[in-house]
Amino acid sequence: QQKVQQSPESLTVSEGAMASLNCTFSDGTSNNFRWYRQHSAKGLEVLVSIFSDGEKEEGRFTAHLNRANLHVSLHIREPQPSDSAVYLCAVSDDTNAYKVIFGKGTHLHVLP
Amino acid sequence: EAAVTQSPRNKVAVTGGKVTLSCNQTNNHNNMYWYRQDTGHGLRLIHYSYGAGSTEKGDIPDGYKASRPSQENFSLILELATPSQTSVYFCASGGGRTYEQYFGPGTRLTVL
Repeated sequence: QQKVQQSPESLTVSEGAMASLNCTFSDGTSNNFRWYRQHSAKGLEVLVSIFSDGEKEEGRFTAHLNRANLHVSLHIREPQPSDSAVYLCAVSDDTNAYKVIFGKGTHLHVLP
Repeated sequence: EAAVTQSPRNKVAVTGGKVTLSCNQTNNHNNMYWYRQDTGHGLRLIHYSYGAGSTEKGDIPDGYKASRPSQENFSLILELATPSQTSVYFCASGGGRTYEQYFGPGTRLTVL
């Protein structure tokens, strides 16, 4: 069964510095990867989806996927205090799109 | 604006009581999901549905039933609520080629 792990559990950065979050998965045949953001006690909003190796940019959010290394990362350019939230990695594949495995999240704190 | 809404947003129930959590989506998605989110476990899938009239078991269905009477509505039912079901519950809808999921704001359930 697919296992998804995120690191670090918690990350503190200063406003304007790059924030980098990591996600590793166990099954390299997956082809659907998403990063979600969850502000405290609120729903999840999708930030970026990536389906093939390489890079995908959505505004200040860039995902990098390397399936051979079982790794997908999220880089946040010029983070702001309003970006302080929990970031969740989600992995699935087209053969069973109902089965989305979520990581436990990285708590990001952006200091002004 | 397409959206997923949940009601109630907060609920306090007594052990042994019946609880119904409701979800409505205006995304016209075929698929709908119920998750619970607990510290240390992340998001876990309880039930999901392919469309009106269908319900399927997710990873942790014990103690929960689901109902999908229409494309727009998906309910989660706790026939005999227990304190272990105290959690935050999220509904999501999904569809399209990439099966992206859109989440509601969550329901905080406390079972005393």
